[in-house]
Amino acid sequence: GIQVEQSPPDLILQEGANSTLRCNFSDSVNNLQWFHQNPWGQLINLFYIPSGTKQNGRLSATTVATERYSLLYISSSQTTDSGVYFCAVGVYSSGNTPLVFGKGTRLSVIA
Amino acid sequence: EAQVTQNPRYLITVTGKKLTVTCSQNMNHEYMSWYRQDPGLGLRQIYYSMNVEVTDKGDVPEGYKVSRKEKRNFPLILESPSPNQTSLYFCASRGNWRTDTQYFGPGTRLTVL
Repeated sequence: GIQVEQSPPDLILQEGANSTLRCNFSDSVNNLQWFHQNPWGQLINLFYIPSGTKQNGRLSATTVATERYSLLYISSSQTTDSGVYFCAVGVYSSGNTPLVFGKGTRLSVIA
Repeated sequence: EAQVTQNPRYLITVTGKKLTVTCSQNMNHEYMSWYRQDPGLGLRQIYYSMNVEVTDKGDVPEGYKVSRKEKRNFPLILESPSPNQTSLYFCASRGNWRTDTQYFGPGTRLTVL
């Protein structure tokens, strides 16, 4: 099956700093999403981005499908950005397209 | 507000006592699925449904049942829970099975003693 690798596994930032999270995947995908899992365990949608670039406030994402990677940029980080960031990809498979999750990047933003 | 809801949010139960975790979405989505999240194993799909009365197994279906009698509801049933089913469970939905943004419910923390 498809492999999803995220880097770095852990990241500690001072409030106000910028960061880039990376997601590499091993095959062509039909679906790619970024999620933030907050300290209460909830999975929050950030971007649906199988290709191209999107921005939402301090967050932006770019997926280069031909090179099989996606990047999530966080600018001017805040303590509320802490949590785990997951990249998840979907590939058509016999009528199902389960999202396959990477192991995540654990972000800690310190005031 | 577009959302996926799950109940209960927290549940502690004992081995063998049947339970149901409900899931409902208000977005008229065709595709719904259940995941479990475990430390070191990540998120894994349990069951999915492409539409009413159409369900199939995901990666880890053993010990679980589902049904899809209405488009908005997709309950997860544990007929005889065991301690290895202690986990964080998520229901998810999206417009169709091929693509589209997938939305997750808030999660259900289940402990089986």
